[in-house]
Amino acid sequence: EPEVTQTPSHQVTQMGQEVILRCVPISNHLYFYWYRQILGQKVEFLVSFYNNEISEKSEIFDDQFSVERPDGSNFTLKIRSTKLEDSAMYFCASSELGTYGYTFGSGTRLTVV
Amino acid sequence: AQTVTQSQPEMSVQEAETVTLSCTYDTSESNYYLFWYKQPPSRQMILVIRQEAYKQQNATENRFSVNFQKAAKSFSLKISDSQLGDTAMYFCAFMFLGSGTYKYIFGTGTRLKVLA
Repeated sequence: EPEVTQTPSHQVTQMGQEVILRCVPISNHLYFYWYRQILGQKVEFLVSFYNNEISEKSEIFDDQFSVERPDGSNFTLKIRSTKLEDSAMYFCASSELGTYGYTFGSGTRLTVV
Repeated sequence: AQTVTQSQPEMSVQEAETVTLSCTYDTSESNYYLFWYKQPPSRQMILVIRQEAYKQQNATENRFSVNFQKAAKSFSLKISDSQLGDTAMYFCAFMFLGSGTYKYIFGTGTRLKVLA
């Protein structure tokens, strides 16, 4: 069964450093998403991306965050200057036609120290 | 604004027994979808079951079934014949068409422990 692949599975970074989280969506999917889950809390929507631009973003997705599809297969989330409160599990997801058929990746655990 | 409420932070059940996890939601949307996701200790998000709001029939997937009460905005998950592998965090989620894309609103989760 097709999978959404996220790398790395765990990343530790110093506060103030830039970090890039990588995702390879399912190949025929057109809509891409990032969600975040702070430890012990619920999963929250960050951003959706379609046709090489952001479709929608949440209040969490401020100027420190950016997304990019640098080539035909990768979808990245960049955090420019990480803060302690950015420590969370970050989930990438994709869907074929922007309907409810999401597939989530297994997540990247980001720890900011 | 859409909200999802899971009022049971933790539950436990004996192996082979049946357990029901509660979820209520609030929305003014007429077209939406409801889901239950399982999150084991690995923290991967695993789809358990989904329900289209326009369907009156309750969804069923093997040992998992839902009780969807649209007027009451209630969407509970029943797990029959509980197994040790069902131990996990369970999230109820609501999906609607936001500003151009479908996105989830998740509840705060119910931690389920299946006891041997």
